[in-house]
Amino acid sequence: GAGVSQSPRYKVAKRGQDVALRCDPISGHVSLFWYQQALGQGPEFLTYFQNEAQLDKSGLPSDRFFAERPEGSVSTLKIQRTQQEDSAVYLCASTISSTGLSSYEQYFGPGTRLTVT
Amino acid sequence: DQQVKQNSPSLSVQEGRISILNCDYTNSMFDYFLWYKKYPAEGPTFLISISSIKDKNEDGRFTVFLNKSAKHLSLHIVPSQPGDSAVYFCAASGASNFGNEKLTFGTGTRLTIIP
Repeated sequence: GAGVSQSPRYKVAKRGQDVALRCDPISGHVSLFWYQQALGQGPEFLTYFQNEAQLDKSGLPSDRFFAERPEGSVSTLKIQRTQQEDSAVYLCASTISSTGLSSYEQYFGPGTRLTVT
Repeated sequence: DQQVKQNSPSLSVQEGRISILNCDYTNSMFDYFLWYKKYPAEGPTFLISISSIKDKNEDGRFTVFLNKSAKHLSLHIVPSQPGDSAVYFCAASGASNFGNEKLTFGTGTRLTIIP
């Protein structure tokens, strides 16, 4: 079956532009996570959805970052007025866990590499 | 504040020998630990995990050991193969996050297997 897919794979934005990054999780996966991976670092948690509900957005670095998952499947991470420090790989992961059942093994997409110039 | 630490940025091992990758954590609320493998331009791929109620978990060539008192875990790969060359990330999650299994990652160790 298909894994997690992300688009675009690469995005170059001029400082101040808005960008939208898309994630298609594995079909049937309830939980969806966004992570940011800076060069030479490990992925860092941004936000978490269970179905369409955004249950944790504590990792979003500023109010310029916004994520949504309106129908509980595809998710979009939007960054407004991009800054150079936003340059990173943005990873999406999904897992099958639902209320009452934990699943720690997250399946990651290939990521979107964002470069802000 | 780095809650999960991988102090070796890189490691080189001869093919056929054992590779040992180490990871330390500081948050005592973590109770589930995972290792991910990452190739360039790909997302991390799940490799093996261990719950805090165990001290060892084995899957083929891969074994993860957990020492809770020392807050230390290690990944053993034996025998090492050229295809094992990748960046390995240690990750942790906590029971307090039940229903939100967000992962806290280390900075990774680049493993190179020398033929």
